[in-house]
Amino acid sequence: DAGVIQSPRHEVTEMGQEVTLRCKPISGHDYLFWYRQTMMRGLELLIYFNNNVPIDDSGMPEDRFSAKMPNASFSTLKIQPSEPRDSAVYFCASSLVGPNEKLFFGSGTQLSVL
Amino acid sequence: AQSVAQPEDQVNVAEGNPLTVKCTYSVSGNPYLFWYVQYPNRGLQFLLKYITGDNLVKGSYGFEAEFNKSQTSFHLKKPSALVSDSALYFCAVRDYNNNDMRFGAGTRLTVKP
Repeated sequence: DAGVIQSPRHEVTEMGQEVTLRCKPISGHDYLFWYRQTMMRGLELLIYFNNNVPIDDSGMPEDRFSAKMPNASFSTLKIQPSEPRDSAVYFCASSLVGPNEKLFFGSGTQLSVL
Repeated sequence: AQSVAQPEDQVNVAEGNPLTVKCTYSVSGNPYLFWYVQYPNRGLQFLLKYITGDNLVKGSYGFEAEFNKSQTSFHLKKPSALVSDSALYFCAVRDYNNNDMRFGAGTRLTVKP
């Protein structure tokens, strides 16, 4: 298996533009997580899905952020409009069901909003 | 809600010396605890986990962790540190009920030759 695949690897955009981050989880995994990593706030859980259904989006910073999982093999995290404070590394992770299961992380998307 | 705390932002050790990276947890039920490592410009990689059973858990790259229920701790250890162990280490807890995973703030380990 290729692991969790995220794209793009790097994204540089200007304030006000729409940004879409993509994730392909490991086949067969029931859970998909989106995290954001910054120096100031560490690793924050933004939202996670179980069988394509959003379970908890309380970590999404504000309405500018949205996430979808139209099928078991694809998820997007969208920021519209983007702001400089959104600059961070965004990670996608997936896992099998169960609290004893580990998460598999993608390589992340480094987002820079100018 | 479950949470973990990593009291040290930075740990420095000399190569060949033992290392310990500390973690304490707070959960309402049985704890499901994890350690991950992050190298520069990479995603997090799983090291080890505690689910139940033996309090000493062995993981990848010679790392181990000791679960202590009375102290609500899950410290990461290695008997002899390598320079290549230098990285960012995260403790995490996964909730029994809703399955989300929460991470600590991370501890930067630096092993000096």
